[in-house]
Amino acid sequence: DAGITQSPRHKVTETGTPVTLRCHQTENHRYMYWYRQDPGHGLRLIHYSYGVKDTDKGEVSDGYSVSRSKTEDFLLTLESATSSQTSVYFCAISRPNYGYTFGSGTRLTVV
Amino acid sequence: EDQVTQSPEALRLQEGESSSLNCSYTVSGLRGLFWYRQDPGKGPEFLFTLYSAGEEKEKERLKATLTKKESFLHITAPKPEDSATYLCAVQAGQGSSNTGKLIFGQGTTLQVKP
Repeated sequence: DAGITQSPRHKVTETGTPVTLRCHQTENHRYMYWYRQDPGHGLRLIHYSYGVKDTDKGEVSDGYSVSRSKTEDFLLTLESATSSQTSVYFCAISRPNYGYTFGSGTRLTVV
Repeated sequence: EDQVTQSPEALRLQEGESSSLNCSYTVSGLRGLFWYRQDPGKGPEFLFTLYSAGEEKEKERLKATLTKKESFLHITAPKPEDSATYLCAVQAGQGSSNTGKLIFGQGTTLQVKP
């Protein structure tokens, strides 16, 4: 299995502060994704990357930015956290015939 | 607009009581349909990929089928350890364009009581 780790696993932050979530993969997969999961909405795509420094927006990208300076790392930044961004965030890599392999998730609470 | 709808939202079964979960989809060119299992506090875990109508895949007590409009996840003689949320997702796109993006349904939460 491709190793994919997310950090931190849990975070509580205050409204208005910037927050960065990290996703790290140990294999050389080109595509990486950030999703958020909320009750009643399921998994929704925030941003994705198709290579180093190549990223694009998903359906719920407002208030988020991403960076990918190395193949193995994909960072998600909440520029100024709001309570509506309280959610569980999942990183995923795309693997042929498997769709995605997901990380374990980051539970973010904005107070 | 590409869309995935799963039903029912929640399902309670007695151990050994077989049933089916439904995933209906409307997409502009289906590249693949995926089923995942998600346990509380964990990321979704891959179960099956289906690519064309008529295709079937099996794993233990689970069997996934695909038509041109929907997919079913059949659970035969379920056990309490099958309790989880089951997610359906589709990968859409035509021609050479393939970003790998998946569109997810909202999931079906299955509870199997002993």
